[in-house]
Amino acid sequence: GAVVSQHPSRVICKSGTSVKIECRSLDFQATTMFWYRQFPKQSLMLMATSNEGSKATYEQGVEKDKFLINHASLTLSTLTVTSAHPEDSSFYICSAMVASEITGELFFGEGSRLTVL
Amino acid sequence: QQQVKQSPQSLIVQKGGISIINCAYENTAFDYFPWYQQFPGKGPALLIAIRPDVSEKKEGRFTISFNKSAKQFSLHIMDSQPGDSATYFCAASIGQAGTALIFGKGTTLSVSS
Repeated sequence: GAVVSQHPSRVICKSGTSVKIECRSLDFQATTMFWYRQFPKQSLMLMATSNEGSKATYEQGVEKDKFLINHASLTLSTLTVTSAHPEDSSFYICSAMVASEITGELFFGEGSRLTVL
Repeated sequence: QQQVKQSPQSLIVQKGGISIINCAYENTAFDYFPWYQQFPGKGPALLIAIRPDVSEKKEGRFTISFNKSAKQFSLHIMDSQPGDSATYFCAASIGQAGTALIFGKGTTLSVSS
């Protein structure tokens, strides 16, 4: 199956700093990537839809100025958490859809655990 | 409004037993219904998925049953093993439109040996 790689897998930062998380599709092109957020023992909540070459579409309640998403190429999307605060500590997971196969199937990365001190 | 409702929240099954998790959806436009398995600290992994043109799909010990009229689908894990202990999520999307998956709240399965 298609492989999605996320980096870093874990990151600890101080309050007020910014953190960038990368999501790469390793063996396929992805025109669309999705970013999810998961709090402990909870479900995956969609944050935003990232389309290559255009602005991301954010879900209601997600601050676009705080969670900057860039999808500059067909294999890379980045999520930058700006001015992070402890309440931003969470598990962030990206997923991608194969550009040539719009079937609904999404391939998920291994997730990035962010801890803000 | 919760578009995908999942139950039970947790489930304990004896080794060799059958685990059954249920989901119900609201949006009749959904046409793709996957189940994901997630271990702690890992991303979700696709187990099995179904589309509304079939009522059942089986892959190994995992079976999805789909009831379009009731807008419900379920996951059956036959011969449950301790290694199946994980959190399971149902999801739904408008697959043909390439929309994001909407997830249920998850079911924590524990299989006792």
